[in-house]
Amino acid sequence: EVQLLESGGGLVQPGGSLRLSCAASGFTFNSYGMNWVRQAPGKGLEWVSAINGSGVNTYYADSVKGRFTISRDNSKDMLYLQMNSLRAEDTAIYYCAKESAFRGPFDCWGQGALVTVSS
Amino acid sequence: EIVLTQSPATLSLSPGERATLSCRASQSVSTYLAWYQQKPGQTPRLLIYDASNRATGIPARFSGSGSGTDFTLTISSLEPEDFAVYYCQQRYNWWTFGQGTKVEIK
Repeated sequence: EVQLLESGGGLVQPGGSLRLSCAASGFTFNSYGMNWVRQAPGKGLEWVSAINGSGVNTYYADSVKGRFTISRDNSKDMLYLQMNSLRAEDTAIYYCAKESAFRGPFDCWGQGALVTVSS
Repeated sequence: EIVLTQSPATLSLSPGERATLSCRASQSVSTYLAWYQQKPGQTPRLLIYDASNRATGIPARFSGSGSGTDFTLTISSLEPEDFAVYYCQQRYNWWTFGQGTKVEIK
């Protein structure tokens, strides 16, 4: 069974940093692109970042470019999101999501990690 | 950035009725469009990919159509478990989501 499990969420002050992790199981991790998607409280879905299977290519939404860094460790089947210079508007549930195929839609989602940016 | 606009924002229907949801793209996305369902407190679930293909395990009452800039998700006869929020997503140019359509019980 394909499973994704996020961790690392919490409360952080504006300007602070946080690193999210996503543990993957049940599939050949290095064969699939992975993404982070966020959802602010009561709002819709916003794509944040993507990384290809090898980890060489990364992509970011304009709203996080230069502040967030996506990475992966294929030896550990782990996905990461390093978030720096956090703002109140970054408050959201962050989901990791697996692509169904190269640059495909997302066929598996984690349960999400809540990040709250507040003083 | 490709903007997806969903309409209506809210659809009030009764079980057994037909639901028709719309998603319009700011530029052509060919057929690189997917639909997701999200129930309160749950993660999104992939329903339709590449405009008209049902994902694994999705009931036949869900169907998708369209190409270019105009897309439709149809639920032929609403079941109680279908009342949820539905999002469209394009993968033609990175990924973006529509703002969602809530299907609520009338």
